[in-house]
Amino acid sequence: TQLLEQSPQFLSIQEGENLTVYCNSSSVFSSLQWYRQEPGEGPVLLVTVVTGGEVKKLKRLTFQFGDARKDSSLHITAAQPGDTGLYLCAGARTNAGKSTFGDGTTLTVKP
Amino acid sequence: ETGVTQSPTHLIKTRGQQVTLRCSSQSGHNTVSWYQQALGQGPQFIFQYYREEENGRGNFPPRFSGLQFPNYSSELNVNALELDDSALYLCASSFSHGLSETQYFGPGTRLLVL
Repeated sequence: TQLLEQSPQFLSIQEGENLTVYCNSSSVFSSLQWYRQEPGEGPVLLVTVVTGGEVKKLKRLTFQFGDARKDSSLHITAAQPGDTGLYLCAGARTNAGKSTFGDGTTLTVKP
Repeated sequence: ETGVTQSPTHLIKTRGQQVTLRCSSQSGHNTVSWYQQALGQGPQFIFQYYREEENGRGNFPPRFSGLQFPNYSSELNVNALELDDSALYLCASSFSHGLSETQYFGPGTRLLVL
C-alpha cells in the first residue's frame, strides 16, 4: 500500500499550458516536500510546506498544503520545456528522519 | 550540484554477490540517509545514520547494512544480491536529523544485478 499517492502518473503538455499535479494520503504529515528529479540525477528539493493551508510560490510554481496536512498540490503556470522531469512529493512523520516518497508524476513539456 | 558525491556511478553484479556503495556528505552535514529507487518508483527509505549511529530504518532485510565514518561519509553494503536489488541507490545528507532539515541528494549509484 502506497502511503502517498501521486496523480497523474504521466502528463504530457504543450509549452505555455498550465497544469496541476496532486499528492494525496490518508495520513497526516508534519511536513511535506516537493522534489524534481531529472534522469541520471538525484531529487532536488523545490519546497517544504509545514502548515495546514499553506501556499508557497516559486516563480511559476505554486504549492499548496491541505488544511488537514494529508494532501498537497503543485500548480505550474505557462509550462516550459525546462520544467520536464519527475516531480516527487515526500512526507515526514517521525523524528527518525524517514521521508516517505510517492512514485512521482513524470511531466513532459513539448516545445 | 549539492556537494554530495556517490561512487561508483554504475555497477553490474551477479546474484549472490556482495556490493559496497559509498557516499560523501556535504561539508558540515552529520546525517546521511540511504534510499533505493526502483525504475518507475519513488525513493524508498533504507536507513539513516546520525553521528555514526543508525537513526531509523525502513522495511529492508538485514542483508542491507551501513556504516558512517567519523568524517560523516557513509557506506551501504548489500549481501547476497537478488535480482530485485537492481535499482538507483541514493544517499542524502543533511545538517542534522530533525524533521525540518533539508536533505541534499547525490546523483546516485545505478546497480544492475544479473
